[in-house]
Amino acid sequence: DQQVKQNSPSLSVQEGRISILNCDYTNSMFDYFLWYKKYPAEGPTFLISISSIKDKNEDGRFTVFLNKSAKHLSLHIVPSQPGDSAVYFCAAIDSGGGADGLTFGKGTHLIIQP
Amino acid sequence: DAMVIQNPRYQVTQFGKPVTLSCSQTLNHNVMYWYQQKSSQAPKLLFHYYDKDFNNEADTPDNFQSRRPNTSFCFLDIRSPGLGDAAMYLCATSRVRGPPMTEAFFGQGTRLTVV
Repeated sequence: DQQVKQNSPSLSVQEGRISILNCDYTNSMFDYFLWYKKYPAEGPTFLISISSIKDKNEDGRFTVFLNKSAKHLSLHIVPSQPGDSAVYFCAAIDSGGGADGLTFGKGTHLIIQP
Repeated sequence: DAMVIQNPRYQVTQFGKPVTLSCSQTLNHNVMYWYQQKSSQAPKLLFHYYDKDFNNEADTPDNFQSRRPNTSFCFLDIRSPGLGDAAMYLCATSRVRGPPMTEAFFGQGTRLTVV
């Protein structure tokens, strides 16, 4: 049973516009969330994270929003650039639960169109 | 410079023939992880080492083993690969385990093909 869900396998956005990638989770014990970006033939690279004590974290063009009551988080990229075309993975962890690895979603392939 | 290095990038092995994938890190991180990612699926944690302590996920098949001879190196051994074990295998490291959380650094992965 998938505990982290990214329901959009792909998303196409025009260059310069906002990209919004969504992620839902089912485990209410998750208290830390991360977004990873993956180019073809490369490993995932860390992008941005958020603790459950916050509802927003911003880093340059990237902002992550967390809605705990809805068990939903989103990654906003604005403005979108061609180099943002990649697969984006949402990941979560229950830091107090003894499970020490990240639980990943299946990823969303973001395509930035010129 | 690459900080988490996986070798080889591509590995072809025969059905039932043992295979070893390797991972090395220059970060001196305490924790090393192995993930399996099948096509269009989420990366799935197989096991991890915290220093020399081995932690196996409950649903990781016995066919998968790991060794960590020192801080820098970690190996994934598949004793008898089946066709269903064809996947991308990702190695990752992190400085600490649990809070305060630090992000995991991933290698480029090894794509395993079983013929």
